[in-house]
Amino acid sequence: DAKTTQPPSMDCAEGRAANLPCNHSTISGNEYVYWYRQIHSQGPQYIIHGLKNNETNEMASLIITEDRKSSTLILPHATLRDTAVYYCTFSGTYKYIFGTGTRLKVLA
Amino acid sequence: DTGVSQDPRHKITKRGQNVTFRCDPISEHNRLYWYRQTLGQGPEFLTYFQNEAQLEKSRLLSDRFSAERPKGSFSTLEIQRTEQGDSAMYLCASSLLPDTQYFGPGTRLTVL
Repeated sequence: DAKTTQPPSMDCAEGRAANLPCNHSTISGNEYVYWYRQIHSQGPQYIIHGLKNNETNEMASLIITEDRKSSTLILPHATLRDTAVYYCTFSGTYKYIFGTGTRLKVLA
Repeated sequence: DTGVSQDPRHKITKRGQNVTFRCDPISEHNRLYWYRQTLGQGPEFLTYFQNEAQLEKSRLLSDRFSAERPKGSFSTLEIQRTEQGDSAMYLCASSLLPDTQYFGPGTRLTVL
């Protein structure tokens, strides 16, 4: 089964960039990297996904290494509302395997 | 709001009782997933439907659990003879083909 490794927790000052790493060394060539976040007591919220190239949307940027074994989610200007648990996962077919994620705390 | 709704949002039941949860996916999505999440853990895959066909069931889904998706629209997840270990958040997600999954708000089950 797909497996990801993330640091359990990180702090970030409000207004600064938050860089959240993820290792996914077992990813296959056709599997996308997905990032979700979960704010307390809510369902996971989709953030961004990518295959090989770096991606950017209105929420975040995703940097994937050339060997695709790791990626970094970047929140360019973190706000207090970005405090959440962030999960990376990957899937080429249908099933997400989530780890325990990174608990990001944005500090005022 | 992702467009995926779940009902009820909270359920408290006594051990041994049966419970049923409902998920309404985004209307054009043909794939529907159920996950379970316990405190401090990420969501764990339970089962997956493509249209009305249930294509995979995790070994986490014991014989007391059954899921249906009649007519390929909404889905129900039933737990029979609930146990305290069933206490968790039950999450539903939907997607169009093998694509991004959109999660509902979840149903929090507490078994006393």
